[in-house]
Amino acid sequence: DQQVKQNSPSLSVQEGRISILNCDYTNSMFDYFLWYKKYPAEGPTFLISISSIKDKNEDGRFTVFLNKSAKHLSLHIVPSQPGDSAVYFCAASDGGSQGNLIFGKGTKLSVKP
Amino acid sequence: KAGVTQTPRYLIKTRGQQVTLSCSPISGHRSVSWYQQTPGQGLQFLFEYFSETQRNKGNFPGRFSGRQFSNSRSEMNVSTLELGDSALYLCASSLDPEGAYYGYTFGSGTRLTVV
Repeated sequence: DQQVKQNSPSLSVQEGRISILNCDYTNSMFDYFLWYKKYPAEGPTFLISISSIKDKNEDGRFTVFLNKSAKHLSLHIVPSQPGDSAVYFCAASDGGSQGNLIFGKGTKLSVKP
Repeated sequence: KAGVTQTPRYLIKTRGQQVTLSCSPISGHRSVSWYQQTPGQGLQFLFEYFSETQRNKGNFPGRFSGRQFSNSRSEMNVSTLELGDSALYLCASSLDPEGAYYGYTFGSGTRLTVV
């Protein structure tokens, strides 16, 4: 039973355009959400996070939107760059009950020059 | 400052053997978590340690175990290896148990291949 779902295994976008990566969750106790980026042969790198009390958090080219009623969050990358090509993982935490992050299976983003 | 260090980077073992993987967290980080990454399964939580105590354990068989030392370094052990244990094993450290709020920092992982 997956608590965090990334339904698109892959996404291809043209350089300069917007990349939108989606994530759905089922556990209403999650109160913190994070996005990680992973290159092959490297560990995941923290990108951006959002608390459940907010609906938007922005950091440079990266913006995360949270829709609690729909249990949905998305990561927007604008403008997309070839260096953004990686696997993106959505993760959620309930702040201690599980004491760990629950990850989705990831979405592989390819940004074409 | 140094990141999370995992050793070895690559490992090949035979079915039935056991293996020990090591993780040195960022200096000052007392929380260490372990994850298994396999193709198509994403990152699956193994266990988490804080101040030498296991706080949480994921849904893995008892063949998977771990421990944390007083200097926060952690090891995980897999006994009686199976082919399905082939994966990238990732260690992550954080300042405190609720690592989500500070963002876990991951190591580069140990690629285990069981033949």
